[in-house]
Amino acid sequence: RKEVEQDPGPFNVPEGATVAFNCTYSNSASQSFFWYRQDCRKEPKLLMSVYSSGNEDGRFTAQLNRASQYISLLIRDSKLSDSATYLCVVKGNAGGTSYGKLTFGQGTILTVHP
Amino acid sequence: EPEVTQTPSHQVTQMGQEVILRCVPISNHLYFYWYRQILGQKVEFLVSFYNNEISEKSEIFDDQFSVERPDGSNFTLKIRSTKLEDSAMYFCASRAYVSSGNTIYFGEGSWLTVV
Repeated sequence: RKEVEQDPGPFNVPEGATVAFNCTYSNSASQSFFWYRQDCRKEPKLLMSVYSSGNEDGRFTAQLNRASQYISLLIRDSKLSDSATYLCVVKGNAGGTSYGKLTFGQGTILTVHP
Repeated sequence: EPEVTQTPSHQVTQMGQEVILRCVPISNHLYFYWYRQILGQKVEFLVSFYNNEISEKSEIFDDQFSVERPDGSNFTLKIRSTKLEDSAMYFCASRAYVSSGNTIYFGEGSWLTVV
């Protein structure tokens, strides 16, 4: 089983659409969870952290289900500028030398068209 | 916003040559990382560095690779005897001490092409 697994996509949606990405992770001891955004040939940029209580940042909502080891990202009212690859990212165990190491999913490509 | 800077942005090198990729982490950060991304593939962890020593490394980070923080500001990745399969984007990242928050900041990357 892959450490972090995402919907393969790609997703091709019209402006204004709502789109949801899913992700699962294999290490139940993982401590922190994130969604990153990556534009073509650019560095990953933090979109938002993901908390068990769920969190929202404008049009973006992230959810974490630790029991199912499942993470989701919902984008409402998609904009052309949302076109990018969305990366599900998990950070290792607290303490020791694994703290800080990020494990990335393969990424899901989103294209928002007019 | 503070940023991690990397040089060069793009380097082409002959197979078998040595390459040094340079990074200037954010000034008050204490943890440093190198990641790489082969074209079309996922971002992969290479190595983490703290207190002037490697704290963790992946299976990818074999004897061909080394890291150094020579002068307290730069953080370098050296790749010896490059191979075609080393062609990738290499990202440097840094993080402040854990009590200052957990955000990891990435540089814009150095694109390495081995020919």
